[in-house]
Amino acid sequence: GENVEQHPSTLSVQEGDSAVIKCTYSDSASNYFPWYKQELGKGPQLIIDIRSNVGEKKDQRIAVTLNKTAKHFSLHITETQPEDSAVYFCAASISNFNKFYFGSGTKLNVKP
Amino acid sequence: DGGITQSPKYLFRKEGQNVTLSCEQNLNHDAMYWYRQDPGQGLRLIYYSQIVNDFQKGDIAEGYSVSREKKESFPLTVTSAQKNPTAFYLCASTEDRANNEQFFGPGTRLTVL
Repeated sequence: GENVEQHPSTLSVQEGDSAVIKCTYSDSASNYFPWYKQELGKGPQLIIDIRSNVGEKKDQRIAVTLNKTAKHFSLHITETQPEDSAVYFCAASISNFNKFYFGSGTKLNVKP
Repeated sequence: DGGITQSPKYLFRKEGQNVTLSCEQNLNHDAMYWYRQDPGQGLRLIYYSQIVNDFQKGDIAEGYSVSREKKESFPLTVTSAQKNPTAFYLCASTEDRANNEQFFGPGTRLTVL
């Protein structure tokens, strides 16, 4: 089955700096890659996603890149703010199978 | 207001008791999922259902049971056979096989006393 690995497990940045979180996947059939933000005691919220037919997607300060050949994808947050502090999860899925495989999470701390 | 609701938010049970966690969605989504999250860890799939009256085991189904009698409801029962049930339980749903954006409920924290 699919195996998703996520790095780093913790990340501390200064407010205004950029943050990058990386994930790798093992199954070349995976074609949908969402990123979730989870605040303490709450359910994960979808913040951005990318499908395998594109290499990059951007939404304001957040961007995701996908390298299908190398089987890795990354989350980029620019101009970080204290409210960006949370745990971020990546995931991989194959359309038509509807099963998701999650990374182990990255705890992002943005210091004011 | 469309979304996924889970109840209760906090649940306490005595060892040896079965307990049922509720999950309801009004998004008209076909597929529903249950995940378990332990402190500092990722999400592990317990059960999922792609259609009413059908469900499949995930990676950690032992000690759990589910039903899918209605499209909008997917309750999870944690049985006494689950050796370490204290965890944060998350329910999620996706629209269909083609459009698989997954949305999560707020979670239920289960503590076994």
